[in-house]
Amino acid sequence: DAKTTQPPSMDCAEGRAANLPCNHSTISGNEYVYWYRQIHSQGPQYIIHGLKNNETNEMASLIITEDRKSSTLILPHATLRDTAVYYCIVLSTGANSKLTFGKGITLSVRP
Amino acid sequence: DTAVSQTPKYLVTQMGNDKSIKCEQNLGHDTMYWYKQDSKKFLKIMFSYNNKELIINETVPNRFSPKSPDKAHLNLHINSLELGDSAVYFCASSQEYENYNYNEQFFGPGTRLTVL
Repeated sequence: DAKTTQPPSMDCAEGRAANLPCNHSTISGNEYVYWYRQIHSQGPQYIIHGLKNNETNEMASLIITEDRKSSTLILPHATLRDTAVYYCIVLSTGANSKLTFGKGITLSVRP
Repeated sequence: DTAVSQTPKYLVTQMGNDKSIKCEQNLGHDTMYWYKQDSKKFLKIMFSYNNKELIINETVPNRFSPKSPDKAHLNLHINSLELGDSAVYFCASSQEYENYNYNEQFFGPGTRLTVL
């Protein structure tokens, strides 16, 4: 019961911004949007999360549409080390909530 | 200063054997998890423990048994290993605040289990 849909893959040039889209049209009012990534042969890494306001941290920015049905993760200056599978996940923050990883989007950063 | 560590990194064993994977976190978190990532790269949660108490137990064969001696450790024991158990197993931890789970989970490097 995937709650998010992401394109299977995309690429971008090193040094350019990478904009990774995610659709979550059935998101509930108490559900957050989380982004994780998994670099090859490593464990997943938390990137950012948000509810309805745009968020920014040292890794990325998260832009959530006003109706909250979609969002975009922005890596402002992609590097080769950003090549990874990026997962968009929707879930609440209750005590027993759990991350459910879908197929994600494979981002390839080219030199 | 590794945050979440797992041992061993690689584990190759025969069908029918019993094996354990250890996980330790030094972040002071009170919730720990085990995930399985199969050959198709799907990552699925298996268990979560909060303060040594089982919170999430997905549909996992009872050959898999998590054991938490203290809140910094969550070990995974697997009995009677089968070919289908071959996968990468990830441990993770997070901090809950009064029943509010931020789900910012920190993952270990993974243990690649190969059952022959």
